[in-house]
Amino acid sequence: DGGITQSPKYLFRKEGQNVTLSCEQNLNHDAMYWYRQDPGQGLRLIYYSQIVNDFQKGDIAEGYSVSREKKESFPLTVTSAQKNPTAFYLCASSKDRGTYEQYFGPGTRLTVT
Amino acid sequence: AQKVTQAQTEISVVEKEDVTLDCVYETRDTTYYLFWYKQPPSGELVFLIRRNSFDEQNEISGRYSWNFQKSTSSFNFTITASQVVDSAVYFCALSEFFGGYNKLIFGAGTRLAVHP
Repeated sequence: DGGITQSPKYLFRKEGQNVTLSCEQNLNHDAMYWYRQDPGQGLRLIYYSQIVNDFQKGDIAEGYSVSREKKESFPLTVTSAQKNPTAFYLCASSKDRGTYEQYFGPGTRLTVT
Repeated sequence: AQKVTQAQTEISVVEKEDVTLDCVYETRDTTYYLFWYKQPPSGELVFLIRRNSFDEQNEISGRYSWNFQKSTSSFNFTITASQVVDSAVYFCALSEFFGGYNKLIFGAGTRLAVHP
């Protein structure tokens, strides 16, 4: 079955540590996205990538980094510079830069203490 | 600036009631798309519908229907004869074409609880 996988579902880290969230898709989609979800605030865009080796900052990119070395993979690193990293992180993909429908993975809930 | 407002934070209904979720948007674009997504307790967002700005026909899909009114910048979602499985958070989203890239602007979501 085609889809988006994110691992792990739950992640716990100590403050000051960097952590990388995985996102893989086998939909053959060109575009991929990372969102952050906090209670009552909807989804906010962190980074997006329209093609391999290209990515753009979204609305809240500070404290995060990404890479896009392969079409199917778009990992997100939450660095120690991110002041409030505890959140639910969702990865999404869309067919290409001209397609608006985005399809989402199951998400990773990150807790930093 | 592009903006999506879902004024209803939480709605609680009893099974079989009809329920309408409101969505109001602001955009500077003449061509745009509107979306609804469902987020069940598992967390994954499920795509429900896309509507483009030139098509104001209402859409019905089973118990779901959508009312798009450009004059009032609204794109409301109605569930007829609600069921417990409809319990979820529902997000309305608006497209934005910015710097050569497509983005979605999400509302804050409406949490729907359907009780037996």
